Amino acid sequence: SAVISQKPSRDICQRGTSLTIQCQVDSQVTMMFWYRQQPGQSLTLIATANQGSEATYESGFVIDKFPISRPNLTFSTLTVSNMSPEDSSIYLCSVGTVPNQPQHFGDGTRLSIL
Amino acid sequence: DAKTTQPPSMDCAEGRAANLPCNHSTISGNEYVYWYRQIHSQGPQYIIHGLKNNETNEMASLIITEDRKSSTLILPHATLRDTAVYYCIVRVASGGFKTIFGAGTRLFVKA
Repeated sequence: SAVISQKPSRDICQRGTSLTIQCQVDSQVTMMFWYRQQPGQSLTLIATANQGSEATYESGFVIDKFPISRPNLTFSTLTVSNMSPEDSSIYLCSVGTVPNQPQHFGDGTRLSIL
Repeated sequence: DAKTTQPPSMDCAEGRAANLPCNHSTISGNEYVYWYRQIHSQGPQYIIHGLKNNETNEMASLIITEDRKSSTLILPHATLRDTAVYYCIVRVASGGFKTIFGAGTRLFVKA
């Protein structure tokens, strides 16, 4: 399976600032996704990162708050903008290759907002 | 994608088989059943998946009922390291194949 690297692995940020999280995969993948996991909760899908076009956001998530880029088939970024304490979560990158095979996940970025 | 129902938590004695149930009564004919687990501080780990036949790999076995409305993940000899949250997910195997997570089952393996 693909090896997924996320940077940073953790960060502590001030409210009102923005942070960009990077996701690098060691092989070309068809699909890339971004998830959020709030403390003690399950994973929630934020968006599908589309290569060369705008991301597809799930209900409750908007591009102004979570801009996403995907310049090629191995790399994507998620920016958490104008952060507040409610944005304190783990943000995870996930990838998929073909529809009937599983997605794989990175270990996530732990974000704390003060 | 069909909705799944899992018990919120289960206990298992170390060395015994852990049987984790999942109900997916609204599953469609083209939807696969996937199991993942998440150990504390790590991303979800893929375990196994199947369409209608029982499946086995080095980690676990997946038993899917004939009507496909429920399934059971079996960890044959649970160890303390199997303590984790286990997610049963139903997902169509075509198009934009995003994975939607439910609440999962928190499995505690006890010595």
